[in-house]
Amino acid sequence: GAGVSQSPSNKVTEKGKDVELRCDPISGHTALYWYRQSLGQGLEFLIYFQGNSAPDKSGLPSDRFSAERTGGSVSTLTIQRTQQEDSAVYLCASSHGTPATDTQYFGPGTRLTVL
Amino acid sequence: AQKITQTQPGMFVQEKEAVTLDCTYDTSDPSYGLFWYKQPSSGEMIFLIYQGSYDQQNATEGRYSLNFQKARKSANLVISASQLGDSAMYFCAMREGLGGSYIPTFGRGTSLIVHP
Repeated sequence: GAGVSQSPSNKVTEKGKDVELRCDPISGHTALYWYRQSLGQGLEFLIYFQGNSAPDKSGLPSDRFSAERTGGSVSTLTIQRTQQEDSAVYLCASSHGTPATDTQYFGPGTRLTVL
Repeated sequence: AQKITQTQPGMFVQEKEAVTLDCTYDTSDPSYGLFWYKQPSSGEMIFLIYQGSYDQQNATEGRYSLNFQKARKSANLVISASQLGDSAMYFCAMREGLGGSYIPTFGRGTSLIVHP
């Protein structure tokens, strides 16, 4: 079956512009996660959606970052007024949603470059 | 304190030999899951293997096995018969159950290079 997909694969933007990154999770997965990975670094958690529950936004670095998930499926991560430090790979993952034993499956990521 | 610790920033191994990548974790939650992911230079995170805190036996998936020592809180990944394609970053992660937020915590990763 289809895995997690993300678009665009690469995005180059100018400082101060807004960007939208899209994630299509695996069909039937109720949990969706966004992470950020700077060059040579580990994964930084951003936001977590689980079913119809309020999202866990505890990892969002500033109010310039927001995300929504429509219809319990596709998610969009929006970064307003981009800064150069926002340059990173943004990874999306999905899982069935059950705790602890649940395995996350990742998309290929979106590489964001802010000039 | 870090929840996941990977102490080896880089490892080198000869092709066809076995290699162990270290991972220690810290939790007081009795229910948790441990995961290993591979990230090749292409950037995608590939799930390798999972071990549950209540599992009695070490997990195995093909050439990958997880050396789970619960009392020592370690979950080392063993790759047998290394191949050139195994060269990548490897991340250990933990997801806590009952008392946790269900958001996995990732280690900083270990870079593995397989020499021919």
